[in-house]
Amino acid sequence: SQQGEEDPQALSIQEGENATMNCSYKTSINNLQWYRQNSGRGLVHLILIRSNEREKHSGRLRVTLDTSKKSSSLLITASRAADTASYFCATANSGGSNYKLTFGKGTLLTVNP
Amino acid sequence: NAGVMQNPRHLVRRRGQEARLRCSPMKGHSHVYWYRQLPEEGLKFMVYLQKENIIDESGMPKERFSAEFPKEGPSILRIQQVVRGDSAAYFCASSRQGDTGELFFGEGSRLTVL
Repeated sequence: SQQGEEDPQALSIQEGENATMNCSYKTSINNLQWYRQNSGRGLVHLILIRSNEREKHSGRLRVTLDTSKKSSSLLITASRAADTASYFCATANSGGSNYKLTFGKGTLLTVNP
Repeated sequence: NAGVMQNPRHLVRRRGQEARLRCSPMKGHSHVYWYRQLPEEGLKFMVYLQKENIIDESGMPKERFSAEFPKEGPSILRIQQVVRGDSAAYFCASSRQGDTGELFFGEGSRLTVL
């Protein structure tokens, strides 16, 4: 598996439900970020969590980071149809440059109205 | 991602032609990054530029690809003698400071090589 690999590849839920996406990585990191990409559009930065942080919240988003397991999760609560998009995690490896992000292939989230 | 402007949004080229993709960073940002997204793949880093300087081009293919960020005007990613494998979405990102990790992405330029 590659650095920054999301799981599941695709997730379909009903509006109002919570969506959880996971990301695993292999090397030590400086930070981990989550992005959203609507079909055919650019990436929107959602949240950045640093290696010394364990949890972060932003609105309906909750991100956790477990550096011992080299994994992160993104929780979207009370999902809306507008949350339908691909979600990517991206890591900045420690000892490397923070601008050289390694992206996974993404999780395609579909929220059905 | 409002503010990072890329054009064209879609570009079609025949094999052997040249492709030029342009990126204007967000206002106040002087650091520009180019990433490429191949079909069904995540984004991959290509190059990092500041005004008139290439800081890191470790992700750029050695041949046919070049990038610049002149003193005036947008950053340009140039692909010479395009091949079908160059078909991808090319994303530009910018940041106010370098190496903070907080990148703001544009909408991307989608290159199709026939």
